[in-house]
Amino acid sequence: GENVEQHPSTLSVQEGDSAVIKCTYSDSASNYFPWYKQELGKGPQLIIDIRSNVGEKKDQRIAVTLNKTAKHFSLHITETQPEDSAVYFCAASPPGGTASKLTFGTGTRLQVTL
Amino acid sequence: EAQVTQNPRYLITVTGKKLTVTCSQNMNHEYMSWYRQDPGLGLRQIYYSMNVEVTDKGDVPEGYKVSRKEKRNFPLILESPSPNQTSLYFCASTPTGTDTQYFGPGTRLTVL
Repeated sequence: GENVEQHPSTLSVQEGDSAVIKCTYSDSASNYFPWYKQELGKGPQLIIDIRSNVGEKKDQRIAVTLNKTAKHFSLHITETQPEDSAVYFCAASPPGGTASKLTFGTGTRLQVTL
Repeated sequence: EAQVTQNPRYLITVTGKKLTVTCSQNMNHEYMSWYRQDPGLGLRQIYYSMNVEVTDKGDVPEGYKVSRKEKRNFPLILESPSPNQTSLYFCASTPTGTDTQYFGPGTRLTVL
C-alpha cells in the first residue's frame, strides 16, 4: 500500500518568514495530494490540493509543488502569521479511490513566533 | 450550518465495556470515514463507507465495527475496548464528485 513520509515533525519560524514542509510517497500511481491544517482542538481542514497533472498550485500565501519523478511534494507558506500555527498533514491517494484511500503523513507542528 | 458532529467528544471507559461513538453529517454526503490520530503516527483510516449499507476496512480495522444504515449516520463501535484503542478519533464525510474530506471535531477516547 501507499506510504507517506513527512518532514519535519516540528517547525518553528518567525512571523513573516517562510515555512516549507516536505512529503514523499511510495506509490507511483498516486495522483491526488491534499494538505490539511489542524488547529488546536479541531478536526483537520483542507487548505490546498494538487493533482499529478499539475506541477504547482498557489492560493494566496500558500503553494504546493509536486515532483512526480522524485515522488515528493511540498507545502510552502510565505509571510507566515501567528494564525498559521497548527499541525499540517500531507496525504496521497491513488486514482479512482481519492475519497476512500487517502493515506496521511505523520504531521508537522508549525509554530510561528512573534 | 453544514457540519459533521461526533458524540461524545470525550470518553473515559474501562477495558471490555462496549461503546459506540456516533457520527452524523447534515450535508447529504455519500462517503464517510473514520480515522484515529496518534502521536507520531498521523491519521490512520479505520473504516470507510461509500454509501448506505456499503462499508469497507481501512488500514487499521482490528477491534472496530461500523454500520451505515442511514446516509447521515456512521457510528463507530468498539465491542471490547482495550487500552491500545486509547486515541483521538475523527469522522469525516465527502460529497460525491469531490475529494475534500470534511472532518468532525474529534472524540478523545481513553480506555483504562
